[in-house]
Amino acid sequence: LAKTTQPISMDSYEGQEVNITCSHNNIATNDYITWYQQFPSQGPRFIIQGYKTKVTNEVASLFIPADRKSSTLSLPRVSLSDTAVYYCLVAGNQGGKLIFGQGTELSVKP
Amino acid sequence: DTAVSQTPKYLVTQMGNDKSIKCEQNLGHDTMYWYKQDSKKFLKIMFSYNNKELIINETVPNRFSPKSPDKAHLNLHINSLELGDSAVYFCASSPGLAGPTSTDTQYFGPGTRLTVL
Repeated sequence: LAKTTQPISMDSYEGQEVNITCSHNNIATNDYITWYQQFPSQGPRFIIQGYKTKVTNEVASLFIPADRKSSTLSLPRVSLSDTAVYYCLVAGNQGGKLIFGQGTELSVKP
Repeated sequence: DTAVSQTPKYLVTQMGNDKSIKCEQNLGHDTMYWYKQDSKKFLKIMFSYNNKELIINETVPNRFSPKSPDKAHLNLHINSLELGDSAVYFCASSPGLAGPTSTDTQYFGPGTRLTVL
């Protein structure tokens, strides 16, 4: 089972780049890595997904090294509205375990 | 135009009672889930259904019984509620035609905060 480990909390200031790393030492060949964002009193929502190397969209970038044992979510120039909990999910194929990490609580200060 | 909806949003009840939480998705997805989020933000999957059939059943007490009348609905019934059942319960759905896949994106509902007194 691909268990994930993330820092429990991080602090940042507006305008900074934030990098959140997730460890998943037991990731399987077919597993993809997906990150979700959760605001208070809301359900998680998809941010970005990747398998290897680098993926970028309008919200974030995801860096995955060659061994795929970790991944880093990068949020460029954060704002106060990026304050949320960020979850790393390593998911396998049909019937596979869906294991979310404990989440990283990001606090962005003015 | 709500994608995944849950009712009720808040549920306060006494120990020993039986309660239900309803979930509906209008995304046309084939797979639905129930998650439990505790006070420490840990998000744990409880069940997953694909087209009305149970495909994932984590180690959950049998007091919890999911029911899927059709692929757009997945309800959660809880018998004999205990203090430890207090949490936020999230319903989610994903397109997976035969269950969750490694690339499936899950769409979550707003959550139901259950408080057992």
